Amino acid sequence: DGGITQSPKYLFRKEGQNVTLSCEQNLNHDAMYWYRQDPGQGLRLIYYSQIVNDFQKGDIAEGYSVSREKKESFPLTVTSAQKNPTAFYLCASSIRARGEQFFGPGTRLTVL
Amino acid sequence: DQQVKQNSPSLSVQEGRISILNCDYTNSMFDYFLWYKKYPAEGPTFLISISSIKDKNEDGRFTVFLNKSAKHLSLHIVPSQPGDSAVYFCAARRYTGTASKLTFGTGTRLQVTL
Repeated sequence: DGGITQSPKYLFRKEGQNVTLSCEQNLNHDAMYWYRQDPGQGLRLIYYSQIVNDFQKGDIAEGYSVSREKKESFPLTVTSAQKNPTAFYLCASSIRARGEQFFGPGTRLTVL
Repeated sequence: DQQVKQNSPSLSVQEGRISILNCDYTNSMFDYFLWYKKYPAEGPTFLISISSIKDKNEDGRFTVFLNKSAKHLSLHIVPSQPGDSAVYFCAARRYTGTASKLTFGTGTRLQVTL
């Protein structure tokens, strides 16, 4: 089955530790995105990538980093510089820059 | 600055009746609008979309209306079913020529009661 997978579903980390969230898609989509959702808020764009080896900052990129070495994979690292890392993180992809975005199931990160 | 607004955080509708979810936007550069449905602890699922050159798009029980002059769109669900109970997000797309970015509203929680 084609789709987007994010792992793990729940993640706990101690304050000050970097953590990497996985996102894989087998839809052959060119573009991939990372969003963050906080309670009572909409989704906010962290980073996006239109093509392999290229990515751009979204609206709230501070404290995050990404890589896009393969078309299928777009991992997100939440660094210790991110002041409020506890949130629900969503990865999405689209067939091209203008296509509808399809979302993975999300990872809930809790920093203790 | 909230460029996409969903002013009703929640809506309750009886089964079989019409649900109307509203969304307002401020940026005239948005060229495409989408509605997503989201259950708790899951990713949003795409529901329906509309291009800025149209004023209506219909898909089964779901219809989206766009009023460009008012910068307003709405999602109509007829008839509403209990399985429609979820949070609905409105999103607006701006295409820069090289990249496409979505801006989301804060969501409306729809409760369909029996």
